[in-house]
Amino acid sequence: AQKVTQAQTEISVVEKEDVTLDCVYETRDTTYYLFWYKQPPSGELVFLIRRNSFDEQNEISGRYSWNFQKSTSSFNFTITASQVVDSAVYFCALSAAGGFKTIFGAGTRLFVKA
Amino acid sequence: AAGVIQSPRHLIKEKRETATLKCYPIPRHDTVYWYQQGPGQDPQFLISFYEKMQSDKGSIPDRFSAQQFSDYHSELNMSSLELGDSALYFCASSLEGGDEKLFFGSGTQLSVL
Repeated sequence: AQKVTQAQTEISVVEKEDVTLDCVYETRDTTYYLFWYKQPPSGELVFLIRRNSFDEQNEISGRYSWNFQKSTSSFNFTITASQVVDSAVYFCALSAAGGFKTIFGAGTRLFVKA
Repeated sequence: AAGVIQSPRHLIKEKRETATLKCYPIPRHDTVYWYQQGPGQDPQFLISFYEKMQSDKGSIPDRFSAQQFSDYHSELNMSSLELGDSALYFCASSLEGGDEKLFFGSGTQLSVL
């Protein structure tokens, strides 16, 4: 069975602080994909990143970076120098390769205060 | 660029009524997914369709049914509505299957009174 756990329900930081959102997953599949999605107050889910289970290279995109560690089944997301516009709910998600279902974690609500 | 279009945006129904939600995927996307998101909850997978055939099924109540039509749009039909069905219903689409990134619509907010 697949499972995604985001233990942090809410995080509050002050603007310009760095913040890391944790994600731990469980799967029996040997090939799978991990994702992060952002849900701002407007409600629409926005794709941030997709990572193949065979690709453990960390990725950086602007102020966003992702740390994938297969040994600990974690796919953590770091926002550097957070901004108020980063305030949103962030979901980690998992899909089996070739599957037609993506399951989501419970989400972490991030508040960035000015 | 064209996005996933859902209609209606808001829907208010009474208990035991029926509701139909519509989803128009991004052109050329062949896979459609339906998710239900309760207040403060994560999106729960309901059902998906690939090339007009059901491809996977999640925690979708028997009172709900869905299909994907020849033009790839999809409809989620909900009957005998219950108070607990009140939620935000998202449709998403992707190209070539579920391990690709999902493009989500704005959602349909269903309120059952």
